[in-house]
Amino acid sequence: KQEVTQIPAALSVPEGENLVLNCSFTDSAIYNLQWFRQDPGKGLTSLLLIQSSQREQTSGRLNASLDKSSGRSTLYIAASQPGDSATYLCAVTKNDMRFGAGTRLTVKP
Amino acid sequence: GAGVSQSPRYKVAKRGQDVALRCDPISGHVSLFWYQQALGQGPEFLTYFQNEAQLDKSGLPSDRFFAERPEGSVSTLKIQRTQQEDSAVYLCASSPNPGAWSYNEQFFGPGTRLTVL
Repeated sequence: KQEVTQIPAALSVPEGENLVLNCSFTDSAIYNLQWFRQDPGKGLTSLLLIQSSQREQTSGRLNASLDKSSGRSTLYIAASQPGDSATYLCAVTKNDMRFGAGTRLTVKP
Repeated sequence: GAGVSQSPRYKVAKRGQDVALRCDPISGHVSLFWYQQALGQGPEFLTYFQNEAQLDKSGLPSDRFFAERPEGSVSTLKIQRTQQEDSAVYLCASSPNPGAWSYNEQFFGPGTRLTVL
């Protein structure tokens, strides 16, 4: 059974800092990996989707990498802003979609 | 265009009551998914529809949970005889393509927060 782990569970940084969120998964046979953002009381917003054949995806200040063989992905956020404060979830897809428990990010002004 | 909507946004039920949660997917989206998200956890898959056909219900935790999508658009998740462990946020997602788990970006609704007292 696929297990998805996100470290750290919570992170607090000052505004402007670059940061890395980590996601690991136990079964490397995946179709794709997605990073989502979830604001309190809201649904999930897809940030980046990396197909299994890809190594990374970029959108604005966000960059996600995928190392399938080692079962790891990182989400890099450059020049963090208070508006980036949210919970970030990664999910891997094969025969279903498995989510990690998320990293709760707080960016302090 | 409108995104995925869910109603009600909040539901409080007494233990033993039946509840019905509604999902309106993005118009024209073929695939529809239901997830359960417990507090502090990631969402967990419940069931998947392709149009009106329920192709995967392997994630439904018990036979008290029932989902339908009779006309291939709106879907309802029904929970009978609710228990305290059913308290969670129930998320609905839709995607434009058939095929649940191949390349198929899912668009999520805001969820329904169910509290069972």
